Amino acid sequence: DVKVTQSSRYLVKRTGEKVFLECVQDMDHENMFWYRQDPGLGLRLIYFSYDVKMKEKGDIPEGYSVSREKKERFSLILESASTNQTSMYLCASSLTEGPSDRGQTLPPDTQYFGPGTRLTVL
Amino acid sequence: RKEVEQDPGPFNVPEGATVAFNCTYSNSASQSFFWYRQDCRKEPKLLMSVYSSGNEDGRFTAQLNRASQYISLLIRDSKLSDSATYLCVVTKGTGGFKTIFGAGTRLFVKA
Repeated sequence: DVKVTQSSRYLVKRTGEKVFLECVQDMDHENMFWYRQDPGLGLRLIYFSYDVKMKEKGDIPEGYSVSREKKERFSLILESASTNQTSMYLCASSLTEGPSDRGQTLPPDTQYFGPGTRLTVL
Repeated sequence: RKEVEQDPGPFNVPEGATVAFNCTYSNSASQSFFWYRQDCRKEPKLLMSVYSSGNEDGRFTAQLNRASQYISLLIRDSKLSDSATYLCVVTKGTGGFKTIFGAGTRLFVKA
């Protein structure tokens, strides 16, 4: 079974603090993602990564940065936490199927999620 | 307009009922479609993929209508354990793949 773990289930920080959220997956997946989930808004993509040292902005990257130094680990960083960053943060990973026999690139496979980190910024 | 839209519900149904959820997507270039299930205070997990030909897994049936750009999920003989939020998920590729999650439809199955 794919296992995605996140460093904390619950976290409370103060405004202005630097916050690190860690995510580790054990299935050698190329793709990793960070989402936040808020009531009525669903999951919104913050950043994603297709490979080590590669990162791409998602829909709401402002106020966040990421780091992927190793394939299995994807970190989300809040440089200066603010109260509007109080949310549930979900990490996910997926396996890129890559080129098919016909030379097409297939879309990413199923995403596997970690248990989430509920962050409260006071 | 949201790229993926779902009726938020909640749907309150008795055990044994049949319930259907619909989801619409705005980008006709969308390529892959899924239903995920999320239990209260848990992470989303894949329920089933959705194919143009439709697919069935036990009491669950998923359908895709590309012409009308909607996806459906049908649950027959509802169980108490089906109570959850069901997320419609669409993946599109435009030089880099992007997966978009709907906000989810809440289902409560009552005895």
